[in-house]
Amino acid sequence: DADVTQTPRNRITKTGKRIMLECSQTKGHDRMYWYRQDPGLGLRLIYYSFDVKDINKGEISDGYSVSRQAQAKFSLSLESAIPNQTALYFCATSDIDTDYGYTFGSGTRLTVV
Amino acid sequence: QKEVEQNSGPLSVPEGAIASLNCTYSDRGSQSFFWYRQYSGKSPELIMFIYSNGDKEDGRFTAQLNKASQYVSLLIRDSQPSDSATYLCAVRDSWGKFQFGAGTQVVVTP
Repeated sequence: DADVTQTPRNRITKTGKRIMLECSQTKGHDRMYWYRQDPGLGLRLIYYSFDVKDINKGEISDGYSVSRQAQAKFSLSLESAIPNQTALYFCATSDIDTDYGYTFGSGTRLTVV
Repeated sequence: QKEVEQNSGPLSVPEGAIASLNCTYSDRGSQSFFWYRQYSGKSPELIMFIYSNGDKEDGRFTAQLNKASQYVSLLIRDSQPSDSATYLCAVRDSWGKFQFGAGTQVVVTP
């Protein structure tokens, strides 16, 4: 099994719908992150959590919310999806010591129509 | 100005040649620097990290860091078609979060 699992892998949803992307990890890492990736813009941080009781906004948090249900689970919600939220979404984890970088999930490709 | 800048490419490299990728960053307090490889539609995978000025070699990959110039580079020797991917430069800030460049697309031509 993958160290960082994202579900669903692909999703098409309609404008205005609420959608949740889920992430679970077996790395035992405290820190978890949600990024979106758009062509030419690279990875942009949406939200991050350094432990279960810690939630922080990233650079593009508007229109998104998160929940850290447990050390191993971090969910991203789009309360009312809009077409410009169409993107590839990645969950990532890291240890407190991030010297060894992030471990990424396999991504969720979200299309809002 | 983005905090981490990379040329978007594509960088076309003949098979067997050296690919040279560059990255500049704006935060002088940055301490750790990472290179990720990302195949189309896939997740980024870590290939190198470097903390100290100078060169660090791992197989066909060499990372070079110059903190005074705020510059980090990646060399890929003996480029192979399987090296065709987008390479992301990442810089760790003082809070432990990463800032990513937009990536450089590398195309290795047979």
